[in-house]
Amino acid sequence: DVKVTQSSRYLVKRTGEKVFLECVQDMDHENMFWYRQDPGLGLRLIYFSYDVKMKEKGDIPEGYSVSREKKERFSLILESASTNQTSMYLCASSLTWGQTQETQYFGPGTRLLVL
Amino acid sequence: AQKVTQAQTEISVVEKEDVTLDCVYETRDTTYYLFWYKQPPSGELVFLIRRNSFDEQNEISGRYSWNFQKSTSSFNFTITASQVVDSAVYFCALTNHLKTSYDKVIFGPGTSLSVIP
Repeated sequence: DVKVTQSSRYLVKRTGEKVFLECVQDMDHENMFWYRQDPGLGLRLIYFSYDVKMKEKGDIPEGYSVSREKKERFSLILESASTNQTSMYLCASSLTWGQTQETQYFGPGTRLLVL
Repeated sequence: AQKVTQAQTEISVVEKEDVTLDCVYETRDTTYYLFWYKQPPSGELVFLIRRNSFDEQNEISGRYSWNFQKSTSSFNFTITASQVVDSAVYFCALTNHLKTSYDKVIFGPGTSLSVIP
């Protein structure tokens, strides 16, 4: 079974704090993704990564950065948290298999509240 | 442009009733994948099924079944004899079959299913 874990289920931070959200997958997947989920807006892609040290912007990268130093770990960083970053953050990973898109498997999510 | 529509925002059924969740998609790709995910109150998106566009056979897995109709661009999901544990938000999703460059997964807005005991 694919296992994607996220460092925290719930997180409360103050405006201006630097926030790290960690995601680890144990299936040797090449691809990893960060989404945020908000009521009425669905899932929106923040950043993704095809390989170690590689990153690509998704639909809403502003205010976020990412780090992928090891294949199994993909970190989302909020350099200076703001209240509009209060959201549910979901990490996902997928395998690279030839030239086809593969299924994304998701972690349990982190509910972040920025006060 | 790719788009996934789940017209039913919320559905309530009584336990043991059958329920169908609708999914209609738009794409110009000739080959693509369709997915269903379940998100229970705990928050994790659980993968349920992936269907390739060139395989229109319907699929059944226990109480779950999926009806893929390319002619109407629909990929509907039916739960037979619903149970309280089926209460969740269900997402339909679409992506290009080939990864020539990254083609993101397009998620529908989700359908919230409540199964009442």
